[in-house]
This record gives sequence, C-alpha cells and structure tokens, in this order.
Amino acid sequence: GIQVEQSPPDLILQEGANSTLRCNFSDSVNNLQWFHQNPWGQLINLFYIPSGTKQNGRLSATTVATERYSLLYISSSQTTDSGVYFCAAPNSNSGYALNFGKGTSLLVTP
Amino acid sequence: DSGVTQTPKHLITATGQRVTLRCSPRSGDLSVYWYQQSLDQGLQFLIQYYNGEERAKGNILERFSAQQFPDLHSELNLSSLELGDSALYFCASSPEPTRELFFGEGSRLTVL
Repeated sequence: GIQVEQSPPDLILQEGANSTLRCNFSDSVNNLQWFHQNPWGQLINLFYIPSGTKQNGRLSATTVATERYSLLYISSSQTTDSGVYFCAAPNSNSGYALNFGKGTSLLVTP
Repeated sequence: DSGVTQTPKHLITATGQRVTLRCSPRSGDLSVYWYQQSLDQGLQFLIQYYNGEERAKGNILERFSAQQFPDLHSELNLSSLELGDSALYFCASSPEPTRELFFGEGSRLTVL
C-alpha cells in the first residue's frame, strides 16, 4: 500500500513564526488530507487537497501530485496551533481508506 | 464539530473483558471507517463499511469485529481484551465520491 512520510517529526516555534511541514507519498493519489490533532486528541480536518493550493486563514496547503508531495504552511503561529499534524493518502489495497503518516509534532511557545 | 458522534468517550475495563464502541456517521454519509491510535503504532486503519456492507479490512485483529446497521450507525466490538488494546479508537465517515474523511472525537479505551 501507499507509504506516507512526514517531516520534520518534531518542531518547536516561537509564537509569530512561520513554518512548513512536508508530506511525501509513494504513489499517485486522488485524495490527500491534512489533519490537526489537538492536545485533547481531537482530529480536525484542515484540508482536502488532492492537487493545487488552498488557503484557510493562516494555514495553506499545496499538493504537487505529479511529484508526490504536499506542503502545509503555518503563518504567524499561535500557541493554539500546537499539536500533531498528520497527512493521509488513500490506500488502494484497503478500499481507499486513508493511510496516515506518523505526524509532525508542533509546539508553539509564547 | 465534525458531525460524527462516538460513544463512550472514555472506557476503563479489565483484561479478558468485551466492550462495544458506537459510532453515528454524519448525516448522509454511507461510509464508516474505524481507526485505532496507539502510542507505538500511530493511526491504523481497522475496517470500513459502506451502506451496511463490509468494504475493506485493514489491521483488524480476529478478536475485534464490527458491523454497520440499517440506520448506518456502526459498532466496533472488542473482545478478550489485552493490555495492548489500550488506545484511542476513532470512527470516521465520508461522502461519495470524494471520500473526504471526517472523524469523531474518539473513544479512549484503557485496559487494566
């Protein structure tokens, strides 16, 4: 099945800084999602982005499907951005259920 | 609020016991997925149902089973529980054809 790799595994930012998280996937995809897992464990949808660029407030994402990667940009980070960011892509071997990367753990300090 | 409802939110039980986790998908979504999140294994896909039928299986143990009922809610049954089954269990639902997943808040299972 599809392999999803995320980098960096850990990131510490000072409030107000910008960052870029990367997701590489091993096969072509027709779906890619980014999620934020907050410190309470909730998985929150950030982007459904099989290709192109989308923006939502201080967050934006770009997927370049032909090169098999996606980027999540966080600008002017806030402490509430802390948590784990996951990207996930469908696995054709399991009915296109999403395979998740191991995540990027982000801590934003005041 | 994703619209996916899971109960219970927390559950503590003993080894050897059996528990049932319940999930109500978003209105109109026919697909339900179950995932397990443990510290050492990350987010693992367990099983998917579509409109009452099993569609795909992932890393689901034989001690675990699931079903989706005519009203589209789903239950995940975990039996002969072991310490290693302690985890956060998520349910997700998705519409067709995008299959964008929306997750519930999870059920945190602790096996003592």
